[in-house]
Amino acid sequence: SQTIHQWPATLVQPVGSPLSLECTVEGTSNPNLYWYRQAAGRGLQLLFYSVGIGQISSEVPQNLSASRPQDRQFILSSKKLLLSDSGFYLCAWRVRTANSPLHFGNGTRLTVT
Amino acid sequence: RKEVEQDPGPFNVPEGATVAFNCTYSNSASQSFFWYRQDCRKEPKLLMSVYSSGNEDGRFTAQLNRASQYISLLIRDSKLSDSATYLCVVNGGDTGRRALTFGSGTRLQVQP
Repeated sequence: SQTIHQWPATLVQPVGSPLSLECTVEGTSNPNLYWYRQAAGRGLQLLFYSVGIGQISSEVPQNLSASRPQDRQFILSSKKLLLSDSGFYLCAWRVRTANSPLHFGNGTRLTVT
Repeated sequence: RKEVEQDPGPFNVPEGATVAFNCTYSNSASQSFFWYRQDCRKEPKLLMSVYSSGNEDGRFTAQLNRASQYISLLIRDSKLSDSATYLCVVNGGDTGRRALTFGSGTRLQVQP
């Protein structure tokens, strides 16, 4: 069966520090991968998606970046965090068919102080 | 108009009640539909897909009305454990990019 791992679960970082969140998927090949952010009490905002190694599409301009160095690995990064980067970050995957649902990792709760 | 709209609630219902949520979508070409459940401070989890003919999973029934462009979720015999936010998700049919559009969610609070 397929599983998705995301870490760390919680993170507290000072403003201006770098960020690296990692996500890996097991049990499937060539998944579509996604990074979402959810601010407190708000809906899900799509940040990045990837349809293959090295292929990253950004949905919202910001100081974050994403990379996909391997088929089942997706990384979210920032060189300098802002207070507004605080939120709940969710990695997700789906099979590359038109009507497949998303499956989420457990999420990372980031607080920028 | 938002692509996917939901009443944010909260819907406060007693245990054992039947409650229904609607979700409207703007893209008439949308191809697939889902309901997710999100508990407080947790990730969304797939509750059920929504099929054209409607489908049922235990106490949960999902319906699709393409003509009016809405989907619904009916919960019968509500349990305290049903308290959560329910997210409506619409798939525009693209296999790659931001095909899945999330509603902002409807909060359900089941009370004893």
